[in-house]
Amino acid sequence: EIMMTQSPAILSVSPGERATLSCRASQSISSNLAWYQQKPGQAPRLLIYGASTRATNIPARFSGSGSGTEFTLTISSLQSEDFGVYYCQQYTNWPPRYTFGQGTKLEIK
Amino acid sequence: QVQLVQSGAEVKKFGSSVKVSCKASGGAFSSYAISWVRQAPGQGLEWMGGFIPIFGTPIYAQKFQGRVTITTDESTNTTNMKLSSLRSEDTAVYYCARGGDLFDSWGQGTLVTVSS
Repeated sequence: EIMMTQSPAILSVSPGERATLSCRASQSISSNLAWYQQKPGQAPRLLIYGASTRATNIPARFSGSGSGTEFTLTISSLQSEDFGVYYCQQYTNWPPRYTFGQGTKLEIK
Repeated sequence: QVQLVQSGAEVKKFGSSVKVSCKASGGAFSSYAISWVRQAPGQGLEWMGGFIPIFGTPIYAQKFQGRVTITTDESTNTTNMKLSSLRSEDTAVYYCARGGDLFDSWGQGTLVTVSS
């Protein structure tokens, strides 16, 4: 099973500043990586897929980068509504063994 | 735009089974995959399996093989997930989501509580 490790566990950022979240895969997953945002009491929302493609209606301040084993989600200018927990997910296996990272909690300072 | 609406919360006894349903509206139901992801209280996300139309058969995570059954009914645009031999660690919110590998629309979640 491919393990996904996210860092940091908690990130506190002031509005208007940049937030950088990291995700590492235990083996190469090419660009088969997605990022999700989850707010308390809500289902996750897809933000990024293919490591760098924004999903429908996702603001341009969200960007993804990386390939292989190292990935980054960047929020260029943090808005108050961006708080929540962010998960990365790999979807490279066949047969499917899709796995998520343990999450990064983004707090608004 | 696809909307997924799940059945309501359940409380189940140890060793019993639970079935959670997920009804889709919008889009062509027969053409897209539906997967199931669960989240234990205060924990992360865990993929359980899904039904992918091009394969015509459900695919299950190894951890849940033999305990989970995913079925689909095109006449009602509904996908069901049944989990058997419930134990305390199965207490979680269960989500259905559109997609076979990445998930772009999600149901509201169904809380399943397992107790003695």
